Amino acid sequence: SQKIEQNSEALNIQEGKTATLTCNYTNYSPAYLQWYRQDPGRGPVFLLLIRENEKEKRKERLKVTFDTTLKQSLFHITASQPADSATYLCALGERTGANNLFFGTGTRLTVIP
Amino acid sequence: GAVVSQHPSRVICKSGTSVKIECRSLDFQATTMFWYRQFPKQSLMLMATSNEGSKATYEQGVEKDKFLINHASLTLSTLTVTSAHPEDSSFYICSARDGAAHSNQPQHFGDGTRLSIL
Repeated sequence: SQKIEQNSEALNIQEGKTATLTCNYTNYSPAYLQWYRQDPGRGPVFLLLIRENEKEKRKERLKVTFDTTLKQSLFHITASQPADSATYLCALGERTGANNLFFGTGTRLTVIP
Repeated sequence: GAVVSQHPSRVICKSGTSVKIECRSLDFQATTMFWYRQFPKQSLMLMATSNEGSKATYEQGVEKDKFLINHASLTLSTLTVTSAHPEDSSFYICSARDGAAHSNQPQHFGDGTRLSIL
């Protein structure tokens, strides 16, 4: 069956440390992968896109890797801040060209001051 | 940046009521909009893909007669939950993609509608 699993439901880290979130998938062939941030009671906000032929993408304090052999993406936030506390969702877009995304269950990150 | 407005943000109503939720793209044209449902601590589950000027495409297990979707213009899609019951209580979120963008480009999400059926 198809699955998209994000490491832990909740992750707590100390301010200033690097947060690493994991997204593993099974029985998908994603052409690309996106990461979103979702705050309580709000809709997701797009952060980064990485395509299947890209190994790594960076944007300010964010870094995403994509390993199609391991079927895994890692999402890093360096120098984390309390304002980074939110739920982070990975989403896969398949090669079929369909418009829709398949979302993981999310990881709730809490950065402790 | 691209903005999607969803209204209302919260609805509380009695069982048997029909509820309409609007999703508008404010600064871009969206030939395709998506409707999701999210239960507490769970992921977004796609309910249907709304295509401007044509019928919506529903995901398996989603009743099209229960969840009516209309996408009459390039900036507006509506979801009507007909004869809502307590089990329909959930967080409904819409998203849209700029019609001129490649399919791998991000979706822009509304802020969701919290539906509570008493």
